[in-house]
Amino acid sequence: DAMVIQNPRYQVTQFGKPVTLSCSQTLNHNVMYWYQQKSSQAPKLLFHYYDKDFNNEADTPDNFQSRRPNTSFCFLDIRSPGLGDAAMYLCATSRGVSGRANEQFFGPGTRLTVL
Amino acid sequence: AQSVAQPEDQVNVAEGNPLTVKCTYSVSGNPYLFWYVQYPNRGLQFLLKYITGDNLVKGSYGFEAEFNKSQTSFHLKKPSALVSDSALYFCAVRPYGGSQGNLIFGKGTKLSVKP
Repeated sequence: DAMVIQNPRYQVTQFGKPVTLSCSQTLNHNVMYWYQQKSSQAPKLLFHYYDKDFNNEADTPDNFQSRRPNTSFCFLDIRSPGLGDAAMYLCATSRGVSGRANEQFFGPGTRLTVL
Repeated sequence: AQSVAQPEDQVNVAEGNPLTVKCTYSVSGNPYLFWYVQYPNRGLQFLLKYITGDNLVKGSYGFEAEFNKSQTSFHLKKPSALVSDSALYFCAVRPYGGSQGNLIFGKGTKLSVKP
């Protein structure tokens, strides 16, 4: 089945220690998104890639970076995690960004704990 | 500012009774509207969407939603609730012609269905 896969499902890191979260998709979608969802809050878009074009949300901290080496994979890098970065990180994909193509398919998420 | 409101933090329903989860929006232009469900420690699962056409939209697991343009609402409904419907429900909107890929989420409503 076509799907969005996130690894690992649970990630523990130490304060200030760089961490990378992984997302892959078998849907062959052009767009990949990263959302941050803190406890009892709505998901918040961090950035997205349309093919190789990176689109950063204005209020996304510089501490968060992303890489998309190919169509299938997208990574979220947190350079120096703080306690406030503990959250669920959701990856999503869509065919495009306009109209019906914008329907987004979500992965199961990675829950990040910062000690 | 464009926004989505889910006025109820929690909705409690007895199994077999009808349920409604409310959503109102404030965006410019004609929006695309979505409902997602999230089970504990899981990603978001798509339930249904409104793009154009019939105001009553049917989705997964017996859920439906009615788009009401005059009231700027998109309430989620189900005629007969199941205990397994207990989860967190998010309403989301993508403003027509809005910034690339950006979904605006409501803060979520926790649905609790008791046997």
